[in-house]
Amino acid sequence: QVQLQESGPGLVKPSETLSLTCTVSGVSISSYYWSWIRQSPGKGLEWIGHAHYSGNTDYNPSLTSRVTILVDTSKYQFSLKVTSVTAADTAVYYCARVIGSYQGLVDYWGQGTLVTVTS
Amino acid sequence: DIQLTQSPSTLSASVGDRVTITCRASQSVSNLLAWYQQKPGKAPKLLIYKASNLESGVPSRFSGSGSGTEFTLTIGSLQPDDFATYYCQHYNTYSPPFGQGTKVEIK
Repeated sequence: QVQLQESGPGLVKPSETLSLTCTVSGVSISSYYWSWIRQSPGKGLEWIGHAHYSGNTDYNPSLTSRVTILVDTSKYQFSLKVTSVTAADTAVYYCARVIGSYQGLVDYWGQGTLVTVTS
Repeated sequence: DIQLTQSPSTLSASVGDRVTITCRASQSVSNLLAWYQQKPGKAPKLLIYKASNLESGVPSRFSGSGSGTEFTLTIGSLQPDDFATYYCQHYNTYSPPFGQGTKVEIK
């Protein structure tokens, strides 16, 4: 069955880079787009962006200058980097599989990982 | 940007009740609307896509309707497992927004 698992530091200092990885199993990583979505008490659910192994990416306009999503087919992983973080980036981060080419529509999710931005 | 507004924010209901949640879009989203269910500490779960299509494995007591700017999620007969928060989402757009959520709690 399809499984996604996030990993990465739970604490990040302000102005530094948040880096997370999602490990995919049970499905061909090259057959889908892969997405990151975050959830914070203040902003609810927020779509961050998605990427395809071909290099195609789309990002939330409010985050595009700070976000990079990459797919590594050799490791069956995709990653998220958010630069210059502030307290507003504190959230539970989810990785997810995109359905077809429907930007934002996701069916399988990771369990989520809490990232806190604090000095 | 398209905004999605859900109502009510909180809904108190009993097992067996018929429950309806509304999602209004600030402009037409055609039928590109999905509904998700989220339980505490868990990731959201896709229930419905294209406004009315039931995701595989989702019980038939869940149904969706609407198009354009007004949509509803209906739970035909509320079950104990259905107490959760529900979100609508417009997808296939530049920055897919979510609604703010509707919490269904036990009356």
